[in-house]
Amino acid sequence: AQSVTQPDIHITVSEGASLELRCNYSYGATPYLFWYVQSPGQGLQLLLKYFSGDTLVQGIKGFEAEFKRSQSSFNLRKPSVHWSDAAEYFCAVGAKAAGNKLTFGGGTRVLVKP
Amino acid sequence: GAVVSQHPSRVICKSGTSVKIECRSLDFQATTMFWYRQFPKQSLMLMATSNEGSKATYEQGVEKDKFLINHASLTLSTLTVTSAHPEDSSFYICSASPGQWEKLFFGSGTQLSVL
Repeated sequence: AQSVTQPDIHITVSEGASLELRCNYSYGATPYLFWYVQSPGQGLQLLLKYFSGDTLVQGIKGFEAEFKRSQSSFNLRKPSVHWSDAAEYFCAVGAKAAGNKLTFGGGTRVLVKP
Repeated sequence: GAVVSQHPSRVICKSGTSVKIECRSLDFQATTMFWYRQFPKQSLMLMATSNEGSKATYEQGVEKDKFLINHASLTLSTLTVTSAHPEDSSFYICSASPGQWEKLFFGSGTQLSVL
């Protein structure tokens, strides 16, 4: 069975500083990996996804993520955060063998200090 | 981009009543829709997968008689919470896929409060 762990429940970062959110997955084969962002009371917006190819993936809103098979990780980064980046971030793993279902991590809440 | 509309965004109901939540794909045909439940400050838990024209597949521990899912057309899936109780209060989110499963679009969610 696939699983996802986001070790950090909360992260506080100053506006303009860099941000890195950790994600570790467990799956026997090559996973399909996603990062979503959720604002309070809202649905999820896809930031980026990895299926194959270049392990450094560029997404929307200036985010990027790097797939590291050796570390079973897919960490999300942004060089300079904006106040509007304050939200909940979810890493997810999917696999065709799992019936195309996504398994989500517990989420990381990002707070941005002025 | 593709849009998934979910209604209502918020509903308050009395204990014992039933509540229906709609999930519509506005600009694509959704062969598969997923329903998730999210408790405050927690992650999304998949409840069931529905495919158009067939019975939904429920995840372990989800009562299918409690959470009725209907996917009668390629653009509409409904989740009905029957005989709702306060413990059913939660945020429910749907997602829809046009068949290329890696393309998944989420609705904006429904906050259900059962008094």
